[in-house]
Amino acid sequence: EIVLTQSPDFQSVTPKEKVTITCRASQSIGSSLHWYQQKPDQSPKLLIKYASQSISGVPSRFSGSGSGTDFTLTINSLEAEDAATYYCHQSSSLPWTFGQGTKVEIK
Amino acid sequence: EVQLVESGGGLVQPGRSLRLSCTASGFTFGDYAMSWVRQAPGKGLEWVGFIRSKAYGGTTEYAASVKGRFTISRDDSKSIAYLQMNSLKTEDTAVYYCTRNSGYSGYDHTYYFDYWGQGTLVTVSS
Repeated sequence: EIVLTQSPDFQSVTPKEKVTITCRASQSIGSSLHWYQQKPDQSPKLLIKYASQSISGVPSRFSGSGSGTDFTLTINSLEAEDAATYYCHQSSSLPWTFGQGTKVEIK
Repeated sequence: EVQLVESGGGLVQPGRSLRLSCTASGFTFGDYAMSWVRQAPGKGLEWVGFIRSKAYGGTTEYAASVKGRFTISRDDSKSIAYLQMNSLKTEDTAVYYCTRNSGYSGYDHTYYFDYWGQGTLVTVSS
């Protein structure tokens, strides 16, 4: 099973600051890495697919990068509505797995 | 508009069974693989399993934690995916989400979850 480790687990950030969340895979997964945002009491929402491909309707301040074992989700100029938990997910091999999540709080 | 609506959750005793349904609309259900993902209270996301489209055999894959106890099926004529849960354990307590798999059909490593339902809560307790 591929283990995804996110860092940090928690981040408290001021609006307009830049946020960087990393996701490290226990073995190479190519670009089969996707990012989701889950706001309190809501279902998760797809943010980025295949490590760096944007999703229609998702604000351009969200971007992804990486391949192989190391991936990054970047939120440029954080807004109050970005308070959420962010998860990475790999589909490279079964069983599909998620990172443990990174909670982003707005100061 | 794509919609996924789960139903069937509730309180059930350990060892009993429950069947969840996911009713889909807004897309050609039969063309897509579908997954179930769960989230225990206050915890992260856990993939439960998925079912391929009939074009790819309608076969299923499961997480080790539920294999042999849970079964995913689909009725394309009704646009419904099911999650049959048997021999339930207290650790199965979670919100269960239905998701649509997008990617390149037939290539499991390309799938991602582009739409999610609102979830249905399953509580396993005596």
